[in-house]
Order: sequence, then structure tokens, then C-alpha cells
Amino acid sequence: SQTIHQWPATLVQPVGSPLSLECTVEGTSNPNLYWYRQAAGRGLQLLFYSVGIGQISSEVPQNLSASRPQDRQFILSSKKLLLSDSGFYLCAWSEASGITDTQYFGPGTRLTVL
Amino acid sequence: AQTVTQSQPEMSVQEAETVTLSCTYDTSESDYYLFWYKQPPSRQMILVIRQEAYKQQNATENRFSVNFQKAAKSFSLKISDSQLGDAAMYFCAYLSRGGADGLTFGKGTHLIIQP
Repeated sequence: SQTIHQWPATLVQPVGSPLSLECTVEGTSNPNLYWYRQAAGRGLQLLFYSVGIGQISSEVPQNLSASRPQDRQFILSSKKLLLSDSGFYLCAWSEASGITDTQYFGPGTRLTVL
Repeated sequence: AQTVTQSQPEMSVQEAETVTLSCTYDTSESDYYLFWYKQPPSRQMILVIRQEAYKQQNATENRFSVNFQKAAKSFSLKISDSQLGDAAMYFCAYLSRGGADGLTFGKGTHLIIQP
């Protein structure tokens, strides 16, 4: 069966510091991968998605970036965090075949920028 | 662009009773998916149920069922025999079929289960 991991689970960072959040998927090959952000009291917003290694699409212009260095690894980064980057970050995967297109989510990372 | 609207910020139901959560959406596409996700206090998003737009039959998963009205662009979730463990935020979501695009979410409904 497939599993998705995210780390760290919780992170507190000062404004202006760098960020690196990691997501890995097990039990599947060439998955579609997604980064979402959930601000306090709001729904989820798609940030990035990837259909393969090195292929990243951005949905929202911001100071965040994403990379996919390996087939089942998806990284969210920032060179300098802003207060507005605080939120709950969720990684998700779906099958590349597109048969079901269902997205399955990881446990998330709670980021607080002070 | 697609939009998803959940008009009930909060709903309350007695344990063992039935509750219906509402969702409407707007799209110009004819083929798509609709989902209900549950987000408990742990905040992990858990898939509850999935509906394919080309299927007229409403999806059912144990105590969870949907009422999918394609012409009205309505997709409500019915929870039967409500249990304390059903207490959570429930999000309705839309996905275009065949693409790798992200989900479009509603703002969620907070479901409270009264013992």
C-alpha cells in the first residue's frame, strides 16, 4: 500500500530565515505530487504540483519554491520567510495514470513564522 | 475557473441522527470529479467519498452518501447514524478529469456531534 510522509511535523522559524519542507511517497511510481497551504480558518490553496522529476508548476506567485529531485520526493523551500508564510502545509499524491485522479494527503507540517 | 461554495460554516447534530452538508460548485466543464474530505483535529485530510461526474448513480461509502445533482451543480454529503468520531471539518472539493491540476476546495463546514 502507498504511504506519504511529511517532515517536520511542526516548525517555528524567524522572519527572514530559510525553509525546507520535505514530502516522500512510498509504494507507487511516478506519482503526481502537490503542495497545498491552509491558512488559519481558511480552505486549502494549491501552491505547486509536479507530474515528474524536475517538472514543477506554480499556481500562486510567492516567495516559495518547489523542487522534485527524485521520483517520490517533493520539497518546498524559501530563501527568506515572511510572516504571511505561516500556515499548515499539506503534501498530496495521485496516480500518474489518471484513472482515479484521487489525491491522498500526508499528515502536514504546521509552520509558524515569528 | 472553478469555484466551490459551502454555505454552512457550522452544523450540529445529535449522535445517531442524520445530517446533510451542502456544497455547490461552478464549472463550464462536463467531465470532472467531486470529493468530500474530512479534517479531524489532527488536521490530516482524509478522503470520505468520491463522485465521478459522468456517473448518474450517487456514491455511497458505508454511512456516507452523496446527492449529486449535475444540472444544479450541487453535491451534498449525508452522514447517517452520526458518531462522535465524525466530528471534524468537512471540505467539498472539485477536480478536473484527466489533468494533474490541483483540487479546488470550499471553505469547509465544521460538524459538531452532540452526545
